[in-house]
Amino acid sequence: EDQVTQSPEALRLQEGESSSLNCSYTVSGLRGLFWYRQDPGKGPEFLFTLYSAGEEKEKERLKATLTKKESFLHITAPKPEDSATYLCAVGSQAGTALIFGKGTTLSVSS
Amino acid sequence: DTAVSQTPKYLVTQMGNDKSIKCEQNLGHDTMYWYKQDSKKFLKIMFSYNNKELIINETVPNRFSPKSPDKAHLNLHINSLELGDSAVYFCASSQDSPGRAFFGQGTRLTVV
Repeated sequence: EDQVTQSPEALRLQEGESSSLNCSYTVSGLRGLFWYRQDPGKGPEFLFTLYSAGEEKEKERLKATLTKKESFLHITAPKPEDSATYLCAVGSQAGTALIFGKGTTLSVSS
Repeated sequence: DTAVSQTPKYLVTQMGNDKSIKCEQNLGHDTMYWYKQDSKKFLKIMFSYNNKELIINETVPNRFSPKSPDKAHLNLHINSLELGDSAVYFCASSQDSPGRAFFGQGTRLTVV
């Protein structure tokens, strides 16, 4: 069964304190791994797509990496505005919609 | 202009009622989706429509019925609402990849 597990569930950081979020997955034929950001009361917002092991994508303070079993979202010198829930999702050959993890809620305090 | 818009944003209703949630996208995408996000923030696919044809129907009770009058609209009709239907429902659309999806702001449904 296709599955996505994110850790930790919640993460509290001080402004400037870098860290990483983990997304591990088991899927029958990966058709992309996707990171989304969700702010309270809003819909998820697309951040990155990764397709193959070794691939990396960057956007401002965020960098996503992918291996054959997991993905990391690295946050460098975070700011309070980076506070949100970060969702990881995979597409599989078995289906045409995404399978989401339960998310990591990040809180960055100044 | 909002890319994916849902109405209403909040919906409070009694058990047993029938309700609809509307969704419209102005991105010209071929595929639209309904996702359900439960109280633990877990987001799960309910339906997917591609060019007005249903291509996914996950294990969702048949009280839920998606209706797509055209490529830009995908409405969700729910019959005989139950307490367990309380959740946030998100509409989304995508073009080439289901992963690069654009989500609406969500409809918070509360059944009392």
